[in-house]
Amino acid sequence: DTEVTQTPKHLVMGMTNKKSLKCEQHMGHRAMYWYKQKAKKPPELMFVYSYEKLSINESVPSRFSPECPNSSLLNLHLHALQPEDSALYLCASTATGSGNTIYFGEGSWLTVV
Amino acid sequence: SQQGEEDPQALSIQEGENATMNCSYKTSINNLQWYRQNSGRGLVHLILIRSNEREKHSGRLRVTLDTSKKSSSLLITASRAADTASYFCATPNTGGFKTIFGAGTRLFVKA
Repeated sequence: DTEVTQTPKHLVMGMTNKKSLKCEQHMGHRAMYWYKQKAKKPPELMFVYSYEKLSINESVPSRFSPECPNSSLLNLHLHALQPEDSALYLCASTATGSGNTIYFGEGSWLTVV
Repeated sequence: SQQGEEDPQALSIQEGENATMNCSYKTSINNLQWYRQNSGRGLVHLILIRSNEREKHSGRLRVTLDTSKKSSSLLITASRAADTASYFCATPNTGGFKTIFGAGTRLFVKA
């Protein structure tokens, strides 16, 4: 079982909806990540938080808004998404960041209708 | 652009056979990692090999690294149906938080 917990596992939302994906880890990791993965493709980095501060935004559209309320939690707020945003969204964490083992959650399957 | 490229893209073998997947990368690395992803699930870390290592073993897994050729291979011996999954190599960038994943190899092991 993964030590990174993501909710919900599945989400269907309309293009005008506002929803959030949530992620939690209790391993004491200080770097947390959001990845997006389309079918048969590798994960693509979206955001990185280090010590609760946003350190990397990979030019992600503003309809995706990350938030790190504390060292254990990571949210991804979704608003006005497009059907092409449908994907598996993976949360992950590492002990310090560069070069360390990445612990992934099971992901949240998002479908935008 | 992707740091790691893998081949083959897909591999189908019989149970008991060995499976070899290859990964190439473009820039200098401190380490290279391999991950496994069952269909529709999260990625699971398999093994990490450092740039000063040439070979590493973990159970039925054997990883090699050739920094002169900027390539790595993952060998799964005596494969099982439960090994059916996608396998990704991953290279962290030096000094940062960006880990770039290769395109992945989809392995199918027939019982």
